[in-house]
Amino acid sequence: GQNIDQPTEMTATEGAIVQINCTYQTSGFNGLFWYQQHAGEAPTFLSYNVLDGLEEKGRFSSFLSRSKGYSYLLLKELQMKDSASYLCAVRLDNYGQNFVFGPGTRLSVLP
Amino acid sequence: KAGVTQTPRYLIKTRGQQVTLSCSPISGHRSVSWYQQTPGQGLQFLFEYFSETQRNKGNFPGRFSGRQFSNSRSEMNVSTLELGDSALYLCASSIIGGPDQETQYFGPGTRLLVL
Repeated sequence: GQNIDQPTEMTATEGAIVQINCTYQTSGFNGLFWYQQHAGEAPTFLSYNVLDGLEEKGRFSSFLSRSKGYSYLLLKELQMKDSASYLCAVRLDNYGQNFVFGPGTRLSVLP
Repeated sequence: KAGVTQTPRYLIKTRGQQVTLSCSPISGHRSVSWYQQTPGQGLQFLFEYFSETQRNKGNFPGRFSGRQFSNSRSEMNVSTLELGDSALYLCASSIIGGPDQETQYFGPGTRLLVL
């Protein structure tokens, strides 16, 4: 079976740093992806890791440890517009787009 | 460049009916994937089409089917609708090859309500 776990909800303050964790146990692995989804909108791609380590993209960074089945998304200098759900997803193989998504973490950024 | 478009945006059907949803990918994108999103189950992968062939399939019953046309537009069909099929159906497209190949671009979705 496929299993991806994320915290259900998190709250943080504007200007702070927040780390959203994701653990996975899947039958295959060909990359870990993070998506952002604002309420009532479609998910948008944030980051992608296929090798261990940290990928940085502006205020967002994502880390992967394949041996531990673990990833995190780090958001710095939080802004109100970062209030959204953050979805962790694993691509199962290298033949196309075959994904398993986590349940999502709803992040609320407070003033 | 226009984004992924999906029609219709909203749909109400009754149990037992069938429904067809349409997705037009970003120009040049040949891979189209379909997802179902519900509050209880989250985002679940239905299937992926590439070059008019189903390349990957998730764990959904055979009532869920799809196809892709030569212009990469895709349709998905759900037959014998059940109440549990009420969901947001999202389509995503991606390019094959190139620096952007890891990015899936999602459409706005079709919200289906089954009564």
